[in-house]
Amino acid sequence: QVQLVQSGAEVQKPGASVKVSCRASGYSFTGNYLHWVRQAPGQGLEWMGRINPESGGTIFAQKFQGRVTMASDTSINTAYMELTSLTFDDTAIYFCAREVLGGLRTLDPWGQGTLVAVSS
Amino acid sequence: DIQMTQSPSSLSASVGDRVSITCRASQSISTYLHWYQQKPGRAPKLLISDVSTLESGVPSRFSGSGSGTDFTLTISNLQPEDLATYYCQQSYGTALSFGGGTKVEIK
Repeated sequence: QVQLVQSGAEVQKPGASVKVSCRASGYSFTGNYLHWVRQAPGQGLEWMGRINPESGGTIFAQKFQGRVTMASDTSINTAYMELTSLTFDDTAIYFCAREVLGGLRTLDPWGQGTLVAVSS
Repeated sequence: DIQMTQSPSSLSASVGDRVSITCRASQSISTYLHWYQQKPGRAPKLLISDVSTLESGVPSRFSGSGSGTDFTLTISNLQPEDLATYYCQQSYGTALSFGGGTKVEIK
């Protein structure tokens, strides 16, 4: 079945960077865009951007421009999201999600989420 | 960017009730409106796409309607397993965006 498995929880200090991975299985990794969405504690969903795993092309939310990098390694069907210059406000669960083919740009399925805690 | 506003932010209803959640876009998004269900401690799950198309396995008590800027998710005959937070999402703009969520509680 289609599955996205993310890396484990991270604790980082303010000013540091974090890199989260998302390993895909059960479908052709290069056939679907991969999105990243985060959720601060008790808050809603915030779209960060997406990557075309085949070409490496990316689109980011304006809020994260200059601070986020997305990459993919097609040899191991894995996407990465790196966020730099972390602040306490970056404490959140980070999800990867596959864009469904067909042009509607819906997201299904989602990874299990990776908790990133920023703490001094 | 397109802003999505959901209301109410939370609601409490009894098993068997009919509940409705509204989602308003800051500009017309045609029918590029989708709904997700997030149960406590879980990742979101796609529930409805393109305003009213139920995903495979989604019970028929869920339905969606609307177009342009105003949309509604309705749960008829509310069940205990519907305890969750529901989010709308637009995909009209280059940047995706979500509503703030509606938490559904069971009385």
